[in-house]
Amino acid sequence: DAGVIQSPRHEVTEMGQEVTLRCKPISGHDYLFWYRQTMMRGLELLIYFNNNVPIDDSGMPEDRFSAKMPNASFSTLKIQPSEPRDSAVYFCASSGQGSGEQYFGPGTRLTVT
Amino acid sequence: AQKITQTQPGMFVQEKEAVTLDCTYDTSDQSYGLFWYKQPSSGEMIFLIYQGSYDEQNATEGRYSLNFQKARKSANLVISASQLGDSAMYFCAMRVQGGSARQLTFGSGTQLTVLP
Repeated sequence: DAGVIQSPRHEVTEMGQEVTLRCKPISGHDYLFWYRQTMMRGLELLIYFNNNVPIDDSGMPEDRFSAKMPNASFSTLKIQPSEPRDSAVYFCASSGQGSGEQYFGPGTRLTVT
Repeated sequence: AQKITQTQPGMFVQEKEAVTLDCTYDTSDQSYGLFWYKQPSSGEMIFLIYQGSYDEQNATEGRYSLNFQKARKSANLVISASQLGDSAMYFCAMRVQGGSARQLTFGSGTQLTVLP
């Protein structure tokens, strides 16, 4: 089975531009998570969905960040406008029922100049 | 609130030897799960092993085992017969089970270096 798929793998953009990160979870998983990882703050949960519904978005840093999950096989994380401090690796992860282990995608390395 | 503490920022081990990575946790909940993840330099996060708080046996997955000591609130990862490919950052995480919350709380990680 395919794992979690993220695109793009690398994104370089200029400050003020809109950035959209994409994620396809593992088929059959009903939880989807967006994380951000930086050296300074480590791994931070931004938002997670259950059955396409956002459950907890308390980690979303500010209104510039938004996330959607229009169906069970696709989610987006959008940053508009982007700022240099948004530079990080963004991970998407999914999990099913049971013990709750999360399976991570390869990440998107975002650089905002 | 849950908290995970990994007190070893970096560890070194000789190839073929065993190594223990420490993890302590804090929670008032009785039902919870503990997880370990590996993050090699390539960046992906790889799920390694899971232990439930009510599991009587310590979890094992190949060369990985979890030394679960509930009274001490510790969930140390033991890697036997270390290999060069084990060099990576290792994260301990926990999740309270029951209820609707599914978040994992992660520790700060331990950077393991396996020496030839």
